[in-house]
Amino acid sequence: NAGVTQTPKFQVLKTGQSMTLQCAQDMNHNSMYWYRQDPGMGLRLIYYSASEGTTDKGEVPNGYNVSRLNKREFSLRLESAAPSQTSVYFCASSESVGEQFFGPGTRLTVL
Amino acid sequence: TQLLEQSPQFLSIQEGENLTVYCNSSSVFSSLQWYRQEPGEGPVLLVTVVTGGEVKKLKRLTFQFGDARKDSSLHITAAQPGDTGLYLCAGAVNTGFQKLVFGTGTRLLVSP
Repeated sequence: NAGVTQTPKFQVLKTGQSMTLQCAQDMNHNSMYWYRQDPGMGLRLIYYSASEGTTDKGEVPNGYNVSRLNKREFSLRLESAAPSQTSVYFCASSESVGEQFFGPGTRLTVL
Repeated sequence: TQLLEQSPQFLSIQEGENLTVYCNSSSVFSSLQWYRQEPGEGPVLLVTVVTGGEVKKLKRLTFQFGDARKDSSLHITAAQPGDTGLYLCAGAVNTGFQKLVFGTGTRLLVSP
């Protein structure tokens, strides 16, 4: 039982490059989330998917897109990376309410 | 935008000391969760408090939800080096779907 897995663990991009962060969960949860974590700002919600087939914007969606590929997988895409997107990105999953289970994070640096 | 302010931001103490971390907001939350995060890992849930005035104990950790459900505190008795980490509070907002608003975090270092 792996829980929530994320790939890659680390990534360095140049400004303007694109990339997709992958997330998968094996707990059969309905809901999945993407957060970014910056020093002194806690975790901020980028996008979430309440259930398979639906996605919605969170607090900081600009510059990102998401795809809920199936119940297990939820990807985050940066179409044209900017230095302001340097951060640690966490994927999480949960039942509709209650505890969220987090992946180990992706550390992204945009030069 | 709902904000959750945590204080202090940083806390460095000796093993055996007691400490309290505060989580404050002007917004009302349906419930409040506390997470702990260790370096290089994602946050892990410690506790959920639901009712105003509720107190929950988890070994040496005591969590309290304010009567008005706008604030919470985490008290650690006789801190140990294993308590070192980043503590995050998160308020649950129900607007058709439950989302969490995370606090700014308190980084705790407990030295032997």
